[in-house]
Amino acid sequence: AQTVTQSQPEMSVQEAETVTLSCTYDTSESDYYLFWYKQPPSRQMILVIRQEAYKQQNATENRFSVNFQKAAKSFSLKISDSQLGDAAMYFCAYRSAIGGGADGLTFGKGTHLIIQP
Amino acid sequence: DGGITQSPKYLFRKEGQNVTLSCEQNLNHDAMYWYRQDPGQGLRLIYYSQIVNDFQKGDIAEGYSVSREKKESFPLTVTSAQKNPTAFYLCASAPRANVLTFGAGSRLTVL
Repeated sequence: AQTVTQSQPEMSVQEAETVTLSCTYDTSESDYYLFWYKQPPSRQMILVIRQEAYKQQNATENRFSVNFQKAAKSFSLKISDSQLGDAAMYFCAYRSAIGGGADGLTFGKGTHLIIQP
Repeated sequence: DGGITQSPKYLFRKEGQNVTLSCEQNLNHDAMYWYRQDPGQGLRLIYYSQIVNDFQKGDIAEGYSVSREKKESFPLTVTSAQKNPTAFYLCASAPRANVLTFGAGSRLTVL
């Protein structure tokens, strides 16, 4: 079974600064997908970024980028120019590519990101 | 607008009662999922379904039941056998092998 570990229960960053959230995972599979989801106080889960394991290039979405290290099984999220609206719980998640990944996502326990004005 | 609707948003249950949480999607997605969220625990998979009339247990299925009679609907029943049902419940759906879209969630509290 796959596991996802987020070792930072809480992080704090000054507005406009850069912050990196850590995620490691354990799997014996070679093909899979990795995700970062954001959960603001409304509790709506919002997809931030997605990475396919077969792609060496790190995914980027505006101010959000990842550092995907497949050999190290590491998948960190970098948020540049932090904004107050970035304050939320951030969850790292894994999805197998076997069987179409039909059994859904395996989540880490989350990192609470605080943005200091 | 396409999306996932969960109802009710808040639900209170007395001990010994069964309650059903509704999840409806109009995204034409094949797969649907139920997750439970507890503080400090992340999201844990309860049940999932890939097609109508078929579903599988997730990691924490004990005390829960589901049905999938229509593609659009995947209700979750929290039975009296679930000893600690107070939690936030999230429903999600996805086209095959693709990104999950989540509903807004339902908060269940046992009185």
